[in-house]
Amino acid sequence: EADIYQTPRYLVIGTGKKITLECSQTMGHDKMYWYQQDPGMELHLIHYSYGVNSTEKGDLSSESTVSRIRTEHFPLTLESARPSHTSQYLCASSAQGEGRPDTQYFGPGTRLTVL
Amino acid sequence: SQQGEEDPQALSIQEGENATMNCSYKTSINNLQWYRQNSGRGLVHLILIRSNEREKHSGRLRVTLDTSKKSSSLLITASRAADTASYFCATGPAGNFNKFYFGSGTKLNVKP
Repeated sequence: EADIYQTPRYLVIGTGKKITLECSQTMGHDKMYWYQQDPGMELHLIHYSYGVNSTEKGDLSSESTVSRIRTEHFPLTLESARPSHTSQYLCASSAQGEGRPDTQYFGPGTRLTVL
Repeated sequence: SQQGEEDPQALSIQEGENATMNCSYKTSINNLQWYRQNSGRGLVHLILIRSNEREKHSGRLRVTLDTSKKSSSLLITASRAADTASYFCATGPAGNFNKFYFGSGTKLNVKP
């Protein structure tokens, strides 16, 4: 089992609310990722980080923002949620060169519904 | 897009049969991985194959990679009902160790 956690698991909120999705890992991985996945569809990379104070946008444009102040923590924030943000958000981490290099370990996901 | 594409999109077999899924991609890679996702959950890593490898085994899993055709296949032998899940290939592009590109997945249903 991977030691990567996401909270909340499910979130239903109204339009215009600010939300933060939490992601934490205890494996000491430098690299962390956020993916967006609609039901039965592919994963789209929306943000990634390869260390503290470094973040990059992924290939899918997203109105969300991320921060990486601590190695183990990679929260994602939506300043004003909209129904189009309804999706599943998956957090992952990896540590190239250790153990199983390039392997990503995934959290259980947060299913977000914006009404 | 560099994302892999799995084929078929859905596969239904009987327990005990073999399941084969294919993945095609578009650009040069340094590795290709297969992941499994149970309904509504996170992904679990199954196996990684590097660009200089042609075949790899792990338990009932066999992965092949053909870089000339930019394709990979995942074979699950003697399938079980517990293998029912979606299977995704993910490519690590050459020269970039920070990103992975996932395909749209194959939904496997193993009937008991």
